[in-house]
Amino acid sequence: AAGVIQSPRHLIKEKRETATLKCYPIPRHDTVYWYQQGPGQDPQFLISFYEKMQSDKGSIPDRFSAQQFSDYHSELNMSSLELGDSALYFCASSPRQRRTRYNEQFFGPGTRLTVL
Amino acid sequence: AQTVTQSQPEMSVQEAETVTLSCTYDTSENNYYLFWYKQPPSRQMILVIRQEAYKQQNATENRFSVNFQKAAKSFSLKISDSQLGDTAMYFCATRLDAGGTSYGKLTFGQGTILTVHP
Repeated sequence: AAGVIQSPRHLIKEKRETATLKCYPIPRHDTVYWYQQGPGQDPQFLISFYEKMQSDKGSIPDRFSAQQFSDYHSELNMSSLELGDSALYFCASSPRQRRTRYNEQFFGPGTRLTVL
Repeated sequence: AQTVTQSQPEMSVQEAETVTLSCTYDTSENNYYLFWYKQPPSRQMILVIRQEAYKQQNATENRFSVNFQKAAKSFSLKISDSQLGDTAMYFCATRLDAGGTSYGKLTFGQGTILTVHP
């Protein structure tokens, strides 16, 4: 079965540089979530999109922006990178199931960002 | 706002034995979901088990079961017949019922590192 795809899997950047992380949800999934997991920490919700519109926003810095495209893939753009941005960034997707109250989030393998 | 607390940073168990991981949460909402996720050394997030808050019956998935105490806002995970492959970080998480739509962020606890010894 197809899973959530994230690219790149690993990324090394210098301080003040820009990074773009990509997420390709499972086919027919219309909702994408982004989470940030720092070293030894729990995942923190950043932002989510439903049907290409931002649906919720968490602790996402103003330096970060994200969007969901017409094919439902999503990109997280990170500018003016700081050392503290080094983390594992997860993307998760949810299926289009209007009749069910529960929609499981399927996680991608994550992108490990290292800022030097 | 929802908060999730896992008070056990680390746990260990012998292979084939049973272990229970604790989780408490706080929410003012009445409709929500509870989850346990497993994160092995590969760092992949794997859903272990889920519980709908409106269901009184505790969820069970093979060797994994939960003890859901809604009034006490407690949601513990019991792993029976522990296996070496169960060694991982375990996260408890909550999600509000978004009213039938598909969005709803997960709020995670701090995690419990479980080590299964041979």
